[in-house]
Amino acid sequence: DVKVTQSSRYLVKRTGEKVFLECVQDMDHENMFWYRQDPGLGLRLIYFSYDVKMKEKGDIPEGYSVSREKKERFSLILESASTNQTSMYLCASSPADRYGYTFGSGTRLTVV
Amino acid sequence: GENVEQHPSTLSVQEGDSAVIKCTYSDSASNYFPWYKQELGKRPQLIIDIRSNVGEKKDQRIAVTLNKTAKHFSLHITETQPEDSAVYFCAALMEYGNKLVFGAGTILRVKS
Repeated sequence: DVKVTQSSRYLVKRTGEKVFLECVQDMDHENMFWYRQDPGLGLRLIYFSYDVKMKEKGDIPEGYSVSREKKERFSLILESASTNQTSMYLCASSPADRYGYTFGSGTRLTVV
Repeated sequence: GENVEQHPSTLSVQEGDSAVIKCTYSDSASNYFPWYKQELGKRPQLIIDIRSNVGEKKDQRIAVTLNKTAKHFSLHITETQPEDSAVYFCAALMEYGNKLVFGAGTILRVKS
């Protein structure tokens, strides 16, 4: 039944490390998104992609990059992790018309 | 930029009472407004959505109303039950960038 899978539920990384968060969807959705969830701030869009090899910045892209080499996979990269990137990261996908996002279970990243 | 404001941030109701959560949005061209429920430790899940060509939509104990002129929409839960306790997020699909922008979330507690 799980349609959007995030590779890790919990992750602890050190400051300065390069971090990869992986997301895979099996619904053949065109669009994929990375959000960050922090208490009191809701879900904030980091990056999104509407096609393979395409990417668009969201509202808070600084310190992040993404990769979409295949339709089903969307990776979020923290080039040099910092403590202020400690957060819950949620991946989502949607069909081309953008109605009906499906979220992954989230990755709780702690940077120490 | 585009934003969605959501109120209240926390809401406590007695079991059986009604709960109302309100959101306002900035992009007058928005035409799709979903609501997500996120239980503790779980992914956000779509519970109801409404498009701009209707003013109200119901699904059992849940209803959403939309006032396009005033640019606000609301979630109504009747006969609340303890299992309704969760964080609820509203969102609006912004025409610019064609992306969902989320509210900050409402923590709903239903006391039995």
